[in-house]
Amino acid sequence: DAKTTQPTSMDCAEGRAANLPCNHSTISGNEYVYWYRQIHSQGPQYIIHGLKNNETNEMASLIITEDRKSSTLILPHATLRDTAVYYCIVRLKTGANNLFFGTGTRLTVIP
Amino acid sequence: EPEVTQTPSHQVTQMGQEVILRCVPISNHLYFYWYRQILGQKVEFLVSFYNNEISEKSEIFDDQFSVERPDGSNFTLKIRSTKLEDSAMYFCASSERQTDYGYTFGSGTRLTVV
Repeated sequence: DAKTTQPTSMDCAEGRAANLPCNHSTISGNEYVYWYRQIHSQGPQYIIHGLKNNETNEMASLIITEDRKSSTLILPHATLRDTAVYYCIVRLKTGANNLFFGTGTRLTVIP
Repeated sequence: EPEVTQTPSHQVTQMGQEVILRCVPISNHLYFYWYRQILGQKVEFLVSFYNNEISEKSEIFDDQFSVERPDGSNFTLKIRSTKLEDSAMYFCASSERQTDYGYTFGSGTRLTVV
């Protein structure tokens, strides 16, 4: 699976959009971008995934650049409950079952 | 919303003892996983399970570990002879299809080996 690079930490004001970047310059054509988050010591929570088109669900939007070398997770209106570690994971949609969690981005939403 | 349930939430055991961590995956899910997270460290893959057999395991998952689906609802992780370094949060996860969508993780069991 391709390696990802994320900032160690970010702050965001409550109610504002949180934009979390991820670089994955070695991504291959059949690898997807997945986002998970972990709130405190709870189990990781799936957020969204995509291949090359932008995706949106009830939790977030995923913007993938045209060359697919980077992506941005957008939480449109961050709340205090969105404070968590956010993981960007690149992997094949089928095949290996191992989700490789890096160190992620610690997002702190500030009142 | 369907949940993955793990019990117990916290277990304390003496070094050398056997422990069994229990998980009830989401009922229509077919793929099951165990991950662990040592305090302050990354979430690490241990093992995946499908069709009553292990489909993949990491180097962490040595002979001290085993998994079982004893009935139609439970999925267990056994550690035969616990070591201090086994102290961690253990997360169970399940998915409907193989990596087709996101995994659903349980809230974890905190294992403390003393």
